[in-house]
Amino acid sequence: QKEVEQDPGPLSVPEGAIVSLNCTYSNSAFQYFMWYRQYSRKGPELLMYTYSSGNKEDGRFTAQVDKSSKYISLFIRDSQPSDSATYLCAMVIIQGAQKLVFGQGTRLTINP
Amino acid sequence: DGGITQSPKYLFRKEGQNVTLSCEQNLNHDAMYWYRQDPGQGLRLIYYSQIVNDFQKGDIAEGYSVSREKKESFPLTVTSAQKNPTAFYLCASRGGRGGNQPQHFGDGTRLSIL
Repeated sequence: QKEVEQDPGPLSVPEGAIVSLNCTYSNSAFQYFMWYRQYSRKGPELLMYTYSSGNKEDGRFTAQVDKSSKYISLFIRDSQPSDSATYLCAMVIIQGAQKLVFGQGTRLTINP
Repeated sequence: DGGITQSPKYLFRKEGQNVTLSCEQNLNHDAMYWYRQDPGQGLRLIYYSQIVNDFQKGDIAEGYSVSREKKESFPLTVTSAQKNPTAFYLCASRGGRGGNQPQHFGDGTRLSIL
């Protein structure tokens, strides 16, 4: 069983829709949770960074963490074609050094 | 502009050849990382360095080597021992003394076999 599970998609939705992206994890030692966005042929860019259960909002993006269920989500409101990308969840564990464990990424397409 | 620069963008390797991927950062970050990304997969850690002249193996270090002689530079060598080197290679760096600062990535090098 992988430490982090993420549905690879692809996911295709119309412009303006609310998008929900999800990851589950098995290691309760994960301390921080991140979402990265990766455009084709580019490096991942940090979107959201949370460390506790609950919601964190930044513009059209909301990150949700439920540590009791080992489940994190990213919601995108009023989705735009420019949101079309691969979204990677990453879990942080600190054991002397910081290590990230990534999900495999969900490819998202927003159709105009 | 501050950032992480990876070069070259595309690289081709012949059988039996070692190749070196460059990663330079001007963010004054102490920690640097190398990841490998295969199609449809997440990133896997190859090597990391928390400080100059020190580095540690990640989850898939076999067939790779690194050096950290300067704070701003963390080159990765893909050796001939790496039998499946075709992948997208990403370098990251992180600032701060604690472990809670996020990693920031360069735009990668795509390595292919001739």
